Amino acid sequence: DAKTTQPNSMESNEEEPVHLPCNHSTISGTDYIHWYRQLPSQGPEYVIHGLTSNVNNRMASLAIAEDRKSSTLILHRATLRDAAVYYCILRPGNAGGTSYGKLTFGQGTILTVHP
Amino acid sequence: ETGVTQTPRHLVMGMTNKKSLKCEQHLGHNAMYWYKQSAKKPLELMFVYSLEERVENNSVPSRFSPECPNSSHLFLHLHTLQPEDSALYLCASSQDIQGANQPQHFGDGTRLSIL
Repeated sequence: DAKTTQPNSMESNEEEPVHLPCNHSTISGTDYIHWYRQLPSQGPEYVIHGLTSNVNNRMASLAIAEDRKSSTLILHRATLRDAAVYYCILRPGNAGGTSYGKLTFGQGTILTVHP
Repeated sequence: ETGVTQTPRHLVMGMTNKKSLKCEQHLGHNAMYWYKQSAKKPLELMFVYSLEERVENNSVPSRFSPECPNSSHLFLHLHTLQPEDSALYLCASSQDIQGANQPQHFGDGTRLSIL
C-alpha cells in the first residue's frame, strides 16, 4: 500500500486557519485520499476524502496537488475542539481482492490549538 | 450520536477471565471491523466482516474470537489474554467492504486493561 508522510505535530491559534500537509509520492491513480481525526478518548472520525479534485464539506476542505503527490487538509477557523490527531490515509480504489476497505493508519499529526 | 455504539467503555480483567466486547451499528451498513490501538502505536486492523461473514483475520491470536450474528452486531470474545493485550479496541462499520470512497464510522472504543 502507498505510504503517507505527515508532520508529527503542528500548532495553531484559535479562529485562525490551519493547513495540515500530507505527502504521498507513491500514490497510484486509483487511490483515494482520506482524512480522519481522533479526539482524545474517542474513536477516529471521518473528516473528508477526495480523488483528484479539491473537496469541501462542513468540517474542512481538501486541496489535492495537480500531480496528486501531496494534499492539504484545511480547517478554515480552528477551534479548541479541533485539537486532535489528524490522519491522512490512502485507500486503494482498485477494490477487488485483498483491499477489504482497509484503512491503514500511520502516526498522524497532533494538532494543538491555543486559545 | 456516532451511529456505532461500543460497550463497555472500560474493562479490567484478569488473564484467566473470559469477557466479551460488544459493538452495535445503527447505520444499515454491511461491513464491520475490529481495530486495536495500543499506546503510541497506530491503529491495527484485526478482523473484517462483510454481511456477517468473516473476510479477514489479520494474524490475530486465537485468544481473540470475533462473532457477527447479524449485520448490526459485532462481538469480540476474549479469553486468556496477556498484559500486552491492554489497549483501546475500536469497532467500525461502512456501507460495504470494497468502497474505497466510503467512510468508516467508528465507535468510541473499549479501553481494556489486563491485570
